Amino acid sequence: AQSVTQLGSHVSVSEGALVLLRCNYSSSVPPYLFWYVQYPNQGLQLLLKYTTGATLVKGINGFEAEFKKSETSFHLTKPSAHMSDAAEYFCAVSNQGGKLIFGQGTELSVKP
Amino acid sequence: GAGVSQSPSNKVTEKGKDVELRCDPISGHTALYWYRQSLGQGLEFLIYFQGNSAPDKSGLPSDRFSAERTGGSVSTLTIQRTQQEDSAVYLCASSLDRPNEKLFFGSGTQLSVL
Repeated sequence: AQSVTQLGSHVSVSEGALVLLRCNYSSSVPPYLFWYVQYPNQGLQLLLKYTTGATLVKGINGFEAEFKKSETSFHLTKPSAHMSDAAEYFCAVSNQGGKLIFGQGTELSVKP
Repeated sequence: GAGVSQSPSNKVTEKGKDVELRCDPISGHTALYWYRQSLGQGLEFLIYFQGNSAPDKSGLPSDRFSAERTGGSVSTLTIQRTQQEDSAVYLCASSLDRPNEKLFFGSGTQLSVL
């Protein structure tokens, strides 16, 4: 069965600093990997996804993530944090068509 | 509407009562999920319907929880004999029936069990 571990339930960065949110997965087959974001008082929305092909994927709002099979990781990054990036971020994995399993989430705070 | 609709948005109930939560997916979406979101627990998978296949019920926490999907569209999540630990936000999501399609989430039902 697939699973996801997000390291750090809370991450705080200064505005303009690098954002790095960590995600490791476990899957018995090549996984499909996703990052979703939940802004305050809003529903979840897709940031980016990896299915096949290029291992570096770009998403909305300047975020990107790199699939590293050898490390079973799919960390989310953004070069320069904005105040508007403050939200909860969820990593998720599916085994190519089965159920989508989410991690426990990482709350990102951005300090001025 | 164009989005996933959930009702009610808030539900307060007494311990031991049964509750029904409803989800209207986006028209044409054949995959439907229920998740539970609690503080510090992330999104906990409950059940997954995909087309006409048997649902994946592996996430239901106890036999007090059940869900059905009628006509491949509307879904109802039923919790019998509610307990205080059932208090959470219950989220429904739908997608097209392809494995890499993104999920569209509803706004959720906030369930409070007193």
